[in-house]
Amino acid sequence: EAEVAQSPRYKITEKSQAVAFWCDPISGHATLYWYRQILGQGPELLVQFQDESVVDDSQLPKDRFSAERLKGVDSTLKIQPAELGDSAMYLCASSPRQGEYTGELFFGEGSRLTVL
Amino acid sequence: AQSVSQHNHHVILSEAASLELGCNYSYGGTVNLFWYVQYPGQHLQLLLKYFSGDPLVKGIKGFEAEFIKSKFSFNLRKPSVQWSDTAEYFCAVNERSRGRRALTFGSGTRLQVQP
Repeated sequence: EAEVAQSPRYKITEKSQAVAFWCDPISGHATLYWYRQILGQGPELLVQFQDESVVDDSQLPKDRFSAERLKGVDSTLKIQPAELGDSAMYLCASSPRQGEYTGELFFGEGSRLTVL
Repeated sequence: AQSVSQHNHHVILSEAASLELGCNYSYGGTVNLFWYVQYPGQHLQLLLKYFSGDPLVKGIKGFEAEFIKSKFSFNLRKPSVQWSDTAEYFCAVNERSRGRRALTFGSGTRLQVQP
């Protein structure tokens, strides 16, 4: 069964350091999402890509967060500098092209960030 | 902006008990509705979805949900829970009219089923 791959699974860093997360969506999925899930809360959308273009980054804290999907396949989410409040699970998800859309988002296992 | 409310944060049931988890959304337009489940140590996965048609939808593992438009609700039910249903359950919505695919999630309900 095809899966969304994410790395690293766990990351511990000190505040003010830079952090990067990587996501490889299911092959052929045009839409890619980055969500943040703080402990005890539901996932919140950070950024959505359609192929290599950003569709929605209205909730991305752009002063410290950046995301790219240069070739429309895998994606990187970066935080610089990390703050204590960034401690969370960072989830990547993907979905197929418009004509194949079933409503389902396919999630990876996430990258858990702890900022000390 | 749309929002999703799940009023039950933590539910504890015994095996064979019936389950109902509440979900209300705020958006007044046409929406697609979802329930996702996250089993311990696993990724989020789709349990069931509603797009249109019969407001009572059935999903995997015996779960069902009923869409009540007048109440802006999409409650999840299961007649008899099992220990393996222990998980966190998330209700989610997206706005069909805007073609938005990104989901807005509720805060989740942690279900603990005791043997």
